[in-house]
Amino acid sequence: GQNIDQPTEMTATEGAIVQINCTYQTSGFNGLFWYQQHAGEAPTFLSYNVLDGLEEKGRFSSFLSRSKGYSYLLLKELQMKDSASYLCAVSDNDYKLSFGAGTTVTVRA
Amino acid sequence: GAVVSQHPSWVICKSGTSVKIECRSLDFQATTMFWYRQFPKQSLMLMATSNEGSKATYEQGVEKDKFLINHASLTLSTLTVTSAHPEDSSFYICSARDPGTDYEQYFGPGTRLTVT
Repeated sequence: GQNIDQPTEMTATEGAIVQINCTYQTSGFNGLFWYQQHAGEAPTFLSYNVLDGLEEKGRFSSFLSRSKGYSYLLLKELQMKDSASYLCAVSDNDYKLSFGAGTTVTVRA
Repeated sequence: GAVVSQHPSWVICKSGTSVKIECRSLDFQATTMFWYRQFPKQSLMLMATSNEGSKATYEQGVEKDKFLINHASLTLSTLTVTSAHPEDSSFYICSARDPGTDYEQYFGPGTRLTVT
């Protein structure tokens, strides 16, 4: 099975940087995803890591260490619209996704 | 990116009735689709994997006779909640995997089911 942990809530100021950590223990690994989800909506894809290292995509970056079972999502230059839930998900060898409970990020002016 | 649609976007039904939710991949053929359920303030939980032309595989604890899944074509999977009860009220989300990509799944917009 999969065990995925991430913090429940984080608060940051507009323009700041926030790092959301995710640790996982899985019985199969075919990559780690980060999704953004606004209330009442489906998740939207942010990033995918399957090899160790940092993937940068605009204001969002994601890091993976497979040996440590650890990933983080870095949100830079925070905007009010970034207030949402951020989901860490691990894919197994059958492409099934197991999600963490999600981290609610609140951006304050 | 690829588009996945769901219908209906929301539905209210009476306890004991059945509800069918459709998931369609609009611009690609999806041999595999996934059905998730999300309760308020909780994360997505995988219910089942829908494979075109074969039986769905269900996750542990999900009743296959209650949640009927049919994947009759490469662009359509349906989830039927049979004899719905208030505890089945939830947000149901499907995703479809594009075999033309290495990894990405595309999520539908979700269906809000309320059972009264």
